[in-house]
Amino acid sequence: EAGVAQSPRYKIIEKRQSVAFWCNPISGHATLYWYQQILGQGPKLLIQFQNNGVVDDSQLPKDRFSAERLKGVDSTLKIQPAKLEDSAVYLCASRLTADTEAFFGQGTRLTVV
Amino acid sequence: SQQGEEDPQALSIQEGENATMNCSYKTSINNLQWYRQNSGRGLVHLILIRSNEREKHSGRLRVTLDTSKKSSSLLITASRAADTASYFCASNQAGTALIFGKGTTLSVSS
Repeated sequence: EAGVAQSPRYKIIEKRQSVAFWCNPISGHATLYWYQQILGQGPKLLIQFQNNGVVDDSQLPKDRFSAERLKGVDSTLKIQPAKLEDSAVYLCASRLTADTEAFFGQGTRLTVV
Repeated sequence: SQQGEEDPQALSIQEGENATMNCSYKTSINNLQWYRQNSGRGLVHLILIRSNEREKHSGRLRVTLDTSKKSSSLLITASRAADTASYFCASNQAGTALIFGKGTTLSVSS
């Protein structure tokens, strides 16, 4: 079974630029998450999708972050404009149901300079 | 906000020793999961324990859950250098996302 795929693995941008991350979840997984993990901390939920609908985006900084999941499969997370404090690893995860284990991608390490 | 808190924040042991990490959470849960993260890598799922279970084993891993105390523990027996990583607990209410703690950093020296 193929895992959760994310790209790119690394990205360096200047502050105020925009950036987009892509995630392809495990086939058949209806639930998809984006997490932000700052160095030395645990992952923090940004947004949860169920198929192509948003379940929870209460912690997404909507003035600069946006996410979509077209056709309930792939998802993109965008930051515009980026700030220095957005430097982190962005993790995508998917799960079959809300009662099963979540599988994580390798993450995208974003550095904002 | 983070739901869980792991304890200790850091743990250093010798190969062959056992490592115990604890996790506390704040609200009622549907299940609790433990993950491992090697430096610079994604999270790897270790074990899931449901709210109606008290103990679960997987290889050298043993997880306990005490819902009355809102706490869980992860025991790694006969640790190896390859177990060096950060370990996170993640609590899960029905239909909601996994909420992670800050993690325990385990160092196993040979």
